[in-house]
Amino acid sequence: DAKTTQPTSMDCAEGRAANLPCNHSTISGNEYVYWYRQIHSQGPQYIIHGLKNNETNEMASLIITEDRKSSTLILPHATLRDTAVYYCIATTTSGTYKYIFGTGTRLKVLA
Amino acid sequence: AAGVIQSPRHLIKEKRETATLKCYPIPRHDTVYWYQQGPGQDPQFLISFYEKMQSDKGSIPDRFSAQQFSDYHSELNMSSLELGDSALYFCASSQTSGLPNTEAFFGQGTRLTVV
Repeated sequence: DAKTTQPTSMDCAEGRAANLPCNHSTISGNEYVYWYRQIHSQGPQYIIHGLKNNETNEMASLIITEDRKSSTLILPHATLRDTAVYYCIATTTSGTYKYIFGTGTRLKVLA
Repeated sequence: AAGVIQSPRHLIKEKRETATLKCYPIPRHDTVYWYQQGPGQDPQFLISFYEKMQSDKGSIPDRFSAQQFSDYHSELNMSSLELGDSALYFCASSQTSGLPNTEAFFGQGTRLTVV
């Protein structure tokens, strides 16, 4: 699985968009980019995933660069409840999956 | 909607004892994953099972073993417990077969404290 690199921490004002970057320069063609978050020792929560097209769901948007070497998770209107550690994971789609958590981004949403 | 169920939620054991953690995946999910998260650390992948067979192995100590049963629930057995085994243990499940890509859903974890 490709290694991912994320900033250690970020702050975002409540109501503003939170843009969380992820670098995955060694990603291979069959690896998807997944985003999870963990709120204070709860089980990691699935947010979104994509291969090469931009994706959007009720929680967030995922923008993947054309060369697939990086991506950005966008929380359009951050709330205090979005304060969490956000993990970007690249995992292969062949066979079973193995979600390897690196050092995520600790996002703090400020009132 | 049904979620991944883990039991027990909290467990206290003494050093050198044995512990068994259980995981009940979401119905129709065929893959189970186990993770260990120490204090202040990120979740570490231990092992996974697909259709009752081990599919991947991570940094699981030899003192630990796991299996997936015919009803797809899984158990993580931990023997000769050490103080360093104190951690949150998460189980996740996904439906792998027949899908080009899928997501895993996590349970709320079992907090193991070894004293």
